[in-house]
Amino acid sequence: GAVVSQHPSRVICKSGTSVKIECRSLDFQATTMFWYRQFPKQSLMLMATSNEGSKATYEQGVEKDKFLINHASLTLSTLTVTSAHPEDSSFYICSAGTGRRDEQYFGPGTRLTVT
Amino acid sequence: AQSVAQPEDQVNVAEGNPLTVKCTYSVSGNPYLFWYVQYPNRGLQFLLKYITGDNLVKGSYGFEAEFNKSQTSFHLKKPSALVSDSALYFCAVRANTGGFKTIFGAGTRLFVKA
Repeated sequence: GAVVSQHPSRVICKSGTSVKIECRSLDFQATTMFWYRQFPKQSLMLMATSNEGSKATYEQGVEKDKFLINHASLTLSTLTVTSAHPEDSSFYICSAGTGRRDEQYFGPGTRLTVT
Repeated sequence: AQSVAQPEDQVNVAEGNPLTVKCTYSVSGNPYLFWYVQYPNRGLQFLLKYITGDNLVKGSYGFEAEFNKSQTSFHLKKPSALVSDSALYFCAVRANTGGFKTIFGAGTRLFVKA
């Protein structure tokens, strides 16, 4: 079946630094990738949608200069949290779509802790 | 606009008893509906989906869900709960036209007691 990986699974960084999270579709080409953020005991909030080779579409309230998304290829999308602050600490989950409306595959998530 | 409601924050059920986790939705046009399960510090695992056809959808691990168009509901069910079913369950909806955005409900935590 379709597999999506994320790296790293956990990362701790200091306030003010930037951290990059990778999302890869391992056995299929992802026409669209999605980035979600999940706070403890809460639902997934869609941050942005990206299509390969084009700029990401950010949801209302998400700072695009803070959360940089790059979808460089059909198998790789990256989320860079710039100038991280403790309030950016969260669980970030990516997902990849194949182009079929009923197919969306989720990565295992990345736990970001900003100290 | 799309929305999903999961009215129960938590559902408690005894092992061996049937379980139901409720979900209602709002979307323009015909919906694509999904159920996912999440274990602590893990990503989402797909359980089942409804696209069209039979209103009763069978999925992984013995779960099933019933699509009710008139009530705009898609409740998750299992005839006999297991302790290992204890987890966080999310209902999600995607419109069948326009963008590919998937909207998630708030989640329902299921506790199955031995």
